[in-house]
Amino acid sequence: DGGITQSPKYLFRKEGQNVTLSCEQNLNHDAMYWYRQDPGQGLRLIYYSQIVNDFQKGDIAEGYSVSREKKESFPLTVTSAQKNPTAFYLCASRQAGNSPLHFGNGTRLTVT
Amino acid sequence: SQQGEEDPQALSIQEGENATMNCSYKTSINNLQWYRQNSGRGLVHLILIRSNEREKHSGRLRVTLDTSKKSSSLLITASRAADTASYFCATVDNAGNNRKLIWGLGTSLAVNP
Repeated sequence: DGGITQSPKYLFRKEGQNVTLSCEQNLNHDAMYWYRQDPGQGLRLIYYSQIVNDFQKGDIAEGYSVSREKKESFPLTVTSAQKNPTAFYLCASRQAGNSPLHFGNGTRLTVT
Repeated sequence: SQQGEEDPQALSIQEGENATMNCSYKTSINNLQWYRQNSGRGLVHLILIRSNEREKHSGRLRVTLDTSKKSSSLLITASRAADTASYFCATVDNAGNNRKLIWGLGTSLAVNP
């Protein structure tokens, strides 16, 4: 089955530590996205990539970094510079154009 | 930035009833998309309606789009307990900017058996 896999489902970290969230897709999609979702809020775009080896900042990129070395993979690193990292993180992908997004099942990150 | 606004924020109905959710947006759009999110899970795409379309159906779902009022509605007919979820609208701006999917805050639907 084609889809997007995010791992782990739950992640716990101490404040001051960097943490990397995994996102892998086998849909052969060019574009991939990272969103953050907080309670009672809509999705906010962190980073996106429309092609391998290229990515752009979204609306809330500060404190985050990404890489896109392979078409299938778009890992997100939450750095210690991110002031409020505890959130639900969603990865998505889509084909070029305005086709709908396909989402992974998210990673819930808790930083204490 | 958020441009879509869904209303109501929360909706509670009995199984078998219809559920209507509305989405308003601010700018000119290329298309509007509805997604569903079960608790603790990712979003699932339901329907995409283009700016030149007025109505679309998919099974028990009916979406309308009124570009003059900058609004859309999602109707779920004969609701089931399994329809309990949050529903989000998202718009793509008229430039067709691939990244600019603008999300609303969602409507939380509870269908009581």
